[in-house]
Amino acid sequence: GENVEQHPSTLSVQEGDSAVIKCTYSDSASNYFPWYKQELGKRPQLIIDIRSNVGEKKDQRIAVTLNKTAKHFSLHITETQPEDSAVYFCAASLGGYQKVTFGTGTKLQVIP
Amino acid sequence: GAVVSQHPSWVICKSGTSVKIECRSLDFQATTMFWYRQFPKQSLMLMATSNEGSKATYEQGVEKDKFLINHASLTLSTLTVTSAHPEDSSFYICSAEGSITEAFFGQGTRLTVV
Repeated sequence: GENVEQHPSTLSVQEGDSAVIKCTYSDSASNYFPWYKQELGKRPQLIIDIRSNVGEKKDQRIAVTLNKTAKHFSLHITETQPEDSAVYFCAASLGGYQKVTFGTGTKLQVIP
Repeated sequence: GAVVSQHPSWVICKSGTSVKIECRSLDFQATTMFWYRQFPKQSLMLMATSNEGSKATYEQGVEKDKFLINHASLTLSTLTVTSAHPEDSSFYICSAEGSITEAFFGQGTRLTVV
């Protein structure tokens, strides 16, 4: 089955700096890679996603890159704000109505 | 986006009792729903895939007789934790595919077994 690894497990940045979270996956058949933000005790919220036919996608301060050859994908948050503080999960899926395999999570703390 | 409602949001039960958690898709039909468990400071681990009108598919290591899943309609899946024990205390969360790409999550259920 799919295995998703995520680094780092914790990340502290100063407000305004950038944050980068990296993930690797094992199943080369995976073709959909969503990123979720989860605040304490709440449900995960999709913040951005990317498909295997795209190398990069950007939405305002958030961007995701994908290297299918290396089976790596990364989340980039620029101009971080305190409200960005949360746990972020990467995930991989075969797409369609298939199950999603989550990474181990990164606790991001943005220091004002 | 699509709405998935999960109930209850939290429950405390005595050891040995059973607890039922409901997951409803409010504005779309979901032939497939997923049940996850999340222990504190850990990731979401898939427990089982719930298929409307057929038996659920359980992940390795998940006891099907302990975690009963019923998906009797296109908008409702239920997870029953039978004979709950303190080690079953966790955050249980469901998701349903609201579109061909995006999974929508319920609010989650915090289960505490005392």
